[in-house]
Amino acid sequence: GESVGLHLPTLSVQEGDNSIINCAYSNSASDYFIWYKQESGKGPQFIIDIRSNMDKRQGQRVTVLLNKTVKHLSLQIAATQPGDSAVYFCAATTGGSYIPTFGRGTSLIVHP
Amino acid sequence: NAGVTQTPKFRVLKTGQSMTLLCAQDMNHEYMYWYRQDPGMGLRLIHYSVGEGTTAKGEVPDGYNVSRLKKQNFLLGLESAAPSQTSVYFCASTLSGGGPYEQYFGPGTRLTVT
Repeated sequence: GESVGLHLPTLSVQEGDNSIINCAYSNSASDYFIWYKQESGKGPQFIIDIRSNMDKRQGQRVTVLLNKTVKHLSLQIAATQPGDSAVYFCAATTGGSYIPTFGRGTSLIVHP
Repeated sequence: NAGVTQTPKFRVLKTGQSMTLLCAQDMNHEYMYWYRQDPGMGLRLIHYSVGEGTTAKGEVPDGYNVSRLKKQNFLLGLESAAPSQTSVYFCASTLSGGGPYEQYFGPGTRLTVT
């Protein structure tokens, strides 16, 4: 079955730096990917998504890059702020399924 | 819109007791899900529903039952709670048709079984 994993459980950055959170997936047929942000004591919140017919998608201060060749995606956060401190999850679905597989999460710590 | 709401927010049960967690969404979503989240384990799917009156098992369904009698509500039941069911439970919902799409999550229910 599909497995989704993040490369680092914790990432520490200084305020104002750019952050890059990585995620690898195992199923080459995966075709929809989402990044979620989970603040302490809250439910996950959608940040940005990308479908497999795209390599890059930009939002407000966030960019997701998809490399299907090596089955890897990344979330880039520009000018990281203390409010960005949270756990970030990637999720992948395959073949139009509505059942995503979640990674275990990377904790982003932003130091002022 | 309130989005996805969960009741209760916290609960402490003794082993063997039963309880029901309620999830409600006001977005007219067809799909609804129950997840549990344990430290270091990410989100694991317990049960899900693709529409009113339907339910299906997820990755970790044992010890749980669900019902979707109304489109807007998805109930998760624990018939005989066990300490292994101590966890944070999240409900989610999503649109159907032309998707998949992102999931909308509730705020969670923190359950402790002693």
